Amino acid sequence: IAGITQAPTSQILAAGRRMTLRCTQDMRHNAMYWYRQDLGLGLRLIHYSNTAGTTGKGEVPDGYSVSRANTDDFPLTLASAVPSQTSVYFCATSSGYRDGGADTQYFGPGTRLTVL
Amino acid sequence: GQNIDQPTEMTATEGAIVQINCTYQTSGFNGLFWYQQHAGEAPTFLSYNVLDGLEEKGRFSSFLSRSKGYSYLLLKELQMKDSASYLCAVRDSNYQLIWGAGTKLIIKP
Repeated sequence: IAGITQAPTSQILAAGRRMTLRCTQDMRHNAMYWYRQDLGLGLRLIHYSNTAGTTGKGEVPDGYSVSRANTDDFPLTLASAVPSQTSVYFCATSSGYRDGGADTQYFGPGTRLTVL
Repeated sequence: GQNIDQPTEMTATEGAIVQINCTYQTSGFNGLFWYQQHAGEAPTFLSYNVLDGLEEKGRFSSFLSRSKGYSYLLLKELQMKDSASYLCAVRDSNYQLIWGAGTKLIIKP
C-alpha cells in the first residue's frame, strides 16, 4: 500500500441497497475525511475523524455513517442509498497536528458511485 | 454563510501566464490552499498561504491578502499538462476546509 487507497474504484448500486466505501492509509496520519464532489459544486465534507476512536459530522452527513476503529481505516457507509447520493467520493488524510503548520490534506483516488 | 468564489473556466495559451483569482468569506481564517485536479483524478496539493504575500514554488505562485479576502494562483510558462481544474479552499474557524467549485483551465497550443 502506498499512501491512500479507496475501494471500489466505481460502483453502480440499486436504490435502497446498503454500501460501504473503504479507505485505507499507510501514512500514519491522525485525521481522515470523507468528501463528495458533484459537478459545479466544491468538495463537501461528509464526516471526519481527528483521531482513531473519534468521528464528527461535516457539512452533508445525512444518509452516511462512519467509524474509525484504528488509525489506518475509515469506512463510509450508506445505509440505504438514494439517487441523490450519486457522486464521486474522496477520502483524504492529514497529520492532524494543529501546530501552526499547513496540516495539508492528501486525497485518495476516489470512488465513483452511481445510485439508480 | 461561507462562500468561496472563483471563475468557472479560463483559457490561456501554451507558454503564457495566467492568474486564477479566489475571493472568500468564511467564519474565521486558518489558511488558504490551492489544489490541482486533472479530469477523473484526485486533487493534489499545490500551495498554502497563511500570511499575506506571495509564495513562489517553481512555475506556480500563490498570493494572499487576508484584509481583502482574496488570493490568486499564478501559473507561468504554461504547459499543456497544466490543463486541469484549480481548487481554492479556506480553513475556517472550525478547522474545516471550505472549497470553491474550481476553475477549469484550458490551455491552447
